[in-house]
Amino acid sequence: EAGVTQFPSHSVIEKGQTVTLRCDPISGHDNLYWYRRVMGKEIKFLLHFVKESKQDESGMPNNRFLAERTGGTYSTLKVQPAELEDSGVYFCASSPGIQSYEQYFGPGTRLTVT
Amino acid sequence: GNSVTQMEGPVTLSEEAFLTINCTYTATGYPSLFWYVQYPGEGLQLLLKATKADDKGSNKGFEATYRKETTSFHLEKGSVQVSDSAVYFCALSDGDQGGSEKLVFGKGTKLTVNP
Repeated sequence: EAGVTQFPSHSVIEKGQTVTLRCDPISGHDNLYWYRRVMGKEIKFLLHFVKESKQDESGMPNNRFLAERTGGTYSTLKVQPAELEDSGVYFCASSPGIQSYEQYFGPGTRLTVT
Repeated sequence: GNSVTQMEGPVTLSEEAFLTINCTYTATGYPSLFWYVQYPGEGLQLLLKATKADDKGSNKGFEATYRKETTSFHLEKGSVQVSDSAVYFCALSDGDQGGSEKLVFGKGTKLTVNP
């Protein structure tokens, strides 16, 4: 069974540009999460989808971040326009059910904004 | 809000040494507790978990006991190996968040085991 995949693995962009990160969860997993780790700090929750609906987006830092999960399969996270403080590693995770506390993580996308 | 505080590293040990990584938490309700591990170049993997007080999670020789009275979930291993070199994250999940089992993480502890 394929795990959670993320693309790209690494992105380097200039301040003001747009970047779109993609996450493919494990097939059949209804729950999809986005997290971010800024250098030297904790991994922080961004948002949670249940199928195609946003269950909790309390961790989204501001309106420059837009997440979608059309059709309840893969998800995208767009940053527009990117700022220097957006640099970090963005992790996606998925889990099969509402009472499942085990989340399966992807390898992350390292975003560098220069 | 909920938070996790874990021992900051880096931690460097010799092979076969005893490992302890301290983790304490602050939470309302009754969270589940986790240790995740990130090996170089890979994503986070669940190492072990405990869902209620006094539960002991164990895997690959690692253990951690959910201590409600001290709000702690310290990770231990009796004899580490070079292959245990990784970053370890303590985390909690509060299932009372209206159905959102988001994880709250500590800062991570980098462990290096030398032969």
